[in-house]
Amino acid sequence: KAGVTQTPRYLIKTRGQQVTLSCSPISGHRSVSWYQQTPGQGLQFLFEYFSETQRNKGNFPGRFSGRQFSNSRSEMNVSTLELGDSALYLCASSSGSGTDTQYFGPGTRLTVL
Amino acid sequence: KNEVEQSPQNLTAQEGEFITINCSYSVGISALHWLQQHPGGGIVSLFMLSSGKKKHGRLIATINIQEKHSSLHITASHPRDSAVYICAVKKGGNTDKLIFGTGTRLQVFP
Repeated sequence: KAGVTQTPRYLIKTRGQQVTLSCSPISGHRSVSWYQQTPGQGLQFLFEYFSETQRNKGNFPGRFSGRQFSNSRSEMNVSTLELGDSALYLCASSSGSGTDTQYFGPGTRLTVL
Repeated sequence: KNEVEQSPQNLTAQEGEFITINCSYSVGISALHWLQQHPGGGIVSLFMLSSGKKKHGRLIATINIQEKHSSLHITASHPRDSAVYICAVKKGGNTDKLIFGTGTRLQVFP
């Protein structure tokens, strides 16, 4: 089985722009979770999607949004980028039963200038 | 105070040494994960535990639910074990949301 894929792997944007990141889960997985990793805050949960519905949301401003498509692929969007949004954005997929392990993608490294 | 605390933050070892990384948490959980992150960012799930002990090769993970504590042990450490090890907990309910510790950076020298 192919693993979790994320595109793009690297991205450079300027303040005020918006960005869309994509995550393709392992085939058959219905849950996709997104995480942000920064040197200062470590890993933090952004949101979780299951069967096209947001099942859980972390403590991030409304500039961060996401969605999931019928094929379980997920996108996250960050609008009006700030310098502090520079981070590694990771997605992880699972079957969605709540009892399975999660499989992480390689991440998208976003740099905001 | 963080809901998940790890110690130590940094750890250096000589090849062959036995290594222990500790994780304490303050919330009720349904499962605890040990994750490994190599330079470059990729995260690999090593273990998911809800009770007892699990072993995979040279890695052993234990959890004590009553004491809200887990340990990750590496026997006969090797330079390729050098990575950041992260403890993460999942609260109850039908969700995959993880709460992470700050990680332990391990360096194993030959």
